[in-house]
Amino acid sequence: DGGITQSPKYLFRKEGQNVTLSCEQNLNHDAMYWYRQDPGQGLRLIYYSQIVNDFQKGDIAEGYSVSREKKESFPLTVTSAQKNPTAFYLCASSAGTFSISSYEQYFGPGTRLTVT
Amino acid sequence: GDSVTQMEGPVTLSEEAFLTINCTYTATGYPSLFWYVQYPGEGLQLLLKATKADDKGSNKGFEATYRKETTSFHLEKGSVQVSDSAVYFCALSLPGRGGSQGNLIFGKGTKLSVKP
Repeated sequence: DGGITQSPKYLFRKEGQNVTLSCEQNLNHDAMYWYRQDPGQGLRLIYYSQIVNDFQKGDIAEGYSVSREKKESFPLTVTSAQKNPTAFYLCASSAGTFSISSYEQYFGPGTRLTVT
Repeated sequence: GDSVTQMEGPVTLSEEAFLTINCTYTATGYPSLFWYVQYPGEGLQLLLKATKADDKGSNKGFEATYRKETTSFHLEKGSVQVSDSAVYFCALSLPGRGGSQGNLIFGKGTKLSVKP
């Protein structure tokens, strides 16, 4: 079955440690996205990538980093510079800019990160 | 700037009641509009979409009509079930934004609880 996988589902870290969240898709989608979800705040865009080896900052990129070395993978690193990293993180993908259905985004199940 | 405004929740209904969740948007171009649903502890699923004025999106008994004159995309269902309990997000996507095509702007979400 095609889809997006995120692992792990729950992640616990100590303050000051970097942590990398995994996102893999087998939908052959060009574009991938990372969102952060906090209670009552909806979804906020962290980073996005329209094509391999290229990515752009979203609205709240500070304290985060990404890479896009492969089409199917878009890992997110939450660095120690992120002041409030505890949140639910969602990865998504879409067919891409040149597809007629490019604006439909498909979401993974999410990773809940808790930093203490 | 572009934005989406949803009615605040939570919304609590009895089974078989009629549901309306209001969504209005502000956009400088001609957006595509979406409703996503999030069940507890999960990622978002695309519920329905509309890509131009007067389009009606529908899925699983839910409907929404793209109203350009009122910049609205209200979600409706004639008879809700307990299994519809979830958080519903309205979103828009603007094409042709120079590298950010396909990026979604989300409302803050509306939590629906359906009681038996």
